[in-house]
Amino acid sequence: AQSVTQLDSHVSVSEGTPVLLRCNYSSSYSPSLFWYVQHPNKGLQLLLKYTSAATLVKGINGFEAEFKKSETSFHLTKPSAHMSDAAEYFCVVSASGTYKYIFGTGTRLKVLA
Amino acid sequence: DGGITQSPKYLFRKEGQNVTLSCEQNLNHDAMYWYRQDPGQGLRLIYYSQIVNDFQKGDIAEGYSVSREKKESFPLTVTSAQKNPTAFYLCASSIGAPGGTEAFFGQGTRLTVV
Repeated sequence: AQSVTQLDSHVSVSEGTPVLLRCNYSSSYSPSLFWYVQHPNKGLQLLLKYTSAATLVKGINGFEAEFKKSETSFHLTKPSAHMSDAAEYFCVVSASGTYKYIFGTGTRLKVLA
Repeated sequence: DGGITQSPKYLFRKEGQNVTLSCEQNLNHDAMYWYRQDPGQGLRLIYYSQIVNDFQKGDIAEGYSVSREKKESFPLTVTSAQKNPTAFYLCASSIGAPGGTEAFFGQGTRLTVV
């Protein structure tokens, strides 16, 4: 069975400092992994995805994530936070051939001026 | 523009009433999904459909029903049997088997029981 654990429910950073949002996954099969962002009362927007190609994945708005199989991790990073990055972020796993996406419980990112 | 349209954005329901949430997509996707979002719990799968005229229960299907008569449409009915329906509901679609393919989301419907 697949599962996703987002290690922090809330993260606060100052504007201009790096962002690290942590995600560990569990999957019996070769997983596909995604990060989504959600602004208040909005739908989810895809930031980036890993599908067994390059382990370092670049996404939109300067975000990137590294797939580490040995650590079963897929942490999301950004070198310099902007105020507009304040939102909730979800790590998602799916396994090949399944129709289910498994969501983490989310990390709320706060960016301080 | 291609995308997923959910309506209405806000919905109020009296206890004991059934309500239907609309979800329409023009992405030509085969698979569609309904999720429920509650604070601190992430998204939980209610129902999903892989093709027209077929759908499967997700993890929290009790008190909900769906239909998939057209590829573009996947309405969700919240019945009076749903004990705690107040939540944010998200519809999504994907090309097919999600391994490797991302889901696209609508803007959500916030349902409140009054």
